[in-house]
Amino acid sequence: KNEVEQSPQNLTAQEGEFITINCSYSVGISALHWLQQHPGGGIVSLFMLSSGKKKHGRLIATINIQEKHSSLHITASHPRDSAVYICAVRWSNTGNQFYFGTGTSLTVIP
Amino acid sequence: NAGVTQTPKFRILKIGQSMTLQCTQDMNHNYMYWYRQDPGMGLKLIYYSVGAGITDKGEVPNGYNVSRSTTEDFPLRLELAAPSQTSVYFCASSAPGLSTPYEQYFGPGTRLTVT
Repeated sequence: KNEVEQSPQNLTAQEGEFITINCSYSVGISALHWLQQHPGGGIVSLFMLSSGKKKHGRLIATINIQEKHSSLHITASHPRDSAVYICAVRWSNTGNQFYFGTGTSLTVIP
Repeated sequence: NAGVTQTPKFRILKIGQSMTLQCTQDMNHNYMYWYRQDPGMGLKLIYYSVGAGITDKGEVPNGYNVSRSTTEDFPLRLELAAPSQTSVYFCASSAPGLSTPYEQYFGPGTRLTVT
């Protein structure tokens, strides 16, 4: 069964801490998508990856295709980073459909 | 650009009623998707479309119907609403691109309660 697993499910950090959120998947993919869901419910795309590493501001996303694993890092975390972070994958054999993890709920305390 | 817009934002339906959730995008994206999000679960794909006149089922299509008569609009129809359809519904769109092909852009969501 094709699966997407995120860890941890919940994460609390102090402001300024370095944060890592993990995403593992079971079979080959053609792309991986990191998204952020705000407390109000809106969903925003952060990164789309098929290999290597991408950086945007304080956010860094990496993917290891051989190990079927991706990480999302947040440097110098801030309370405004509090949100649910969602990993979604596009399996190699399913066209442009994405399959979503259940999300990691991050709370950054001032 | 407004991006992806959805109406209504909230709706309460009685069991057996029907309604249409509207979704419009102004980015000329050819792909459009409908997802539902239940508490503690990942988003599940209901239906998707690869272009006007073409739609296909996702993981959880039962109880829903879609149509795609234009590139911009992708309405989702609920017939005979059931409590199991209580959820938050998201519409999304995407398109081929050079740097981030098929990156998904989401609407603000519709919170639906069926009682």
